[in-house]
Amino acid sequence: SYVLTQPPSVSVAPGQTARITCGGNNIGRKSVHWYQLKSGQAPVMVMYYDSDRPSGIPERFSGSNSGHTATLTITRVAAGDEADYYCHVWDDNGDQVFGGGTKLTVL
Amino acid sequence: QVQLEESGPGLLKPSQTLSLTCTVSGDSINSGSYHWTWIRRPAGKGLEWIGRVFSNGITNYNPSLESRVTLSVDTSRNQFSLKLTSVSAEDTAVYYCAREGCSGTTCFDSWGRGTLVTVSS
Repeated sequence: SYVLTQPPSVSVAPGQTARITCGGNNIGRKSVHWYQLKSGQAPVMVMYYDSDRPSGIPERFSGSNSGHTATLTITRVAAGDEADYYCHVWDDNGDQVFGGGTKLTVL
Repeated sequence: QVQLEESGPGLLKPSQTLSLTCTVSGDSINSGSYHWTWIRRPAGKGLEWIGRVFSNGITNYNPSLESRVTLSVDTSRNQFSLKLTSVSAEDTAVYYCAREGCSGTTCFDSWGRGTLVTVSS
C-alpha cells in the first residue's frame, strides 16, 4: 500500500516560515490535500489539488508537489497556526491514504 | 455552508457495537453530488479512513475494517451512520464525519468536530 511520510514535528518562531513536507513514491503524480487539526475543532482543509487554497484560507498558506515530495508552506507564522497538519492522497487502488501528521509548534 | 455533527455514545465495553450518526445541515445528502465519509483518529496516532457512503447507499470501506463496518444513509433525516462491531481498546478514537469533494480525486472539504469514543471495560 502507498505510504506518506511526514516529519512528526516542525517548530518555528512567530513571523517565520514553516515548511511541512509529505514524502511518497512519485507523489508528484498524485493530487495532494492538506488538513489542519486543532483539538476540539472541526478539521479544516487548508490546501487541495496540491496548491489550491479553499475560500477563507489565508494567502500565507501555499502548497507545492513535485517528484517524491509535497510541501505545505506557511509564511508569517502566527500562534493561531499551531496545529497538527496531515497530507492526504487518493491512491490508485482507491484507498484514502493519510500521512502520519506533523505537529506545528510556534515557539 | 454545510455543517456536520457527530452523535452517539462515548463509552463502550469491549465486544460491543459502536453506532454513530452524522447529521448534515446546509446541504442535502440526496443531492447526489458527494460521498459522505467517516474518519477516525486514535489517541497519539494519525488519521484513518473508515469508509464512505453515497446517497443511493453504495459503500466503500477500508479493507482493514471492512469485516466489522457498516455505513448507511437516511436521506429523509439528512443523516448517515456508522456501525462498527466487536470493538476493542484499539477502536478508541475521535471519530469524524466528513463530506468528500474534489472532482477527479477525493478530498474532505467539510468535517464535523468529531466525537470521542472510548472502549474500556
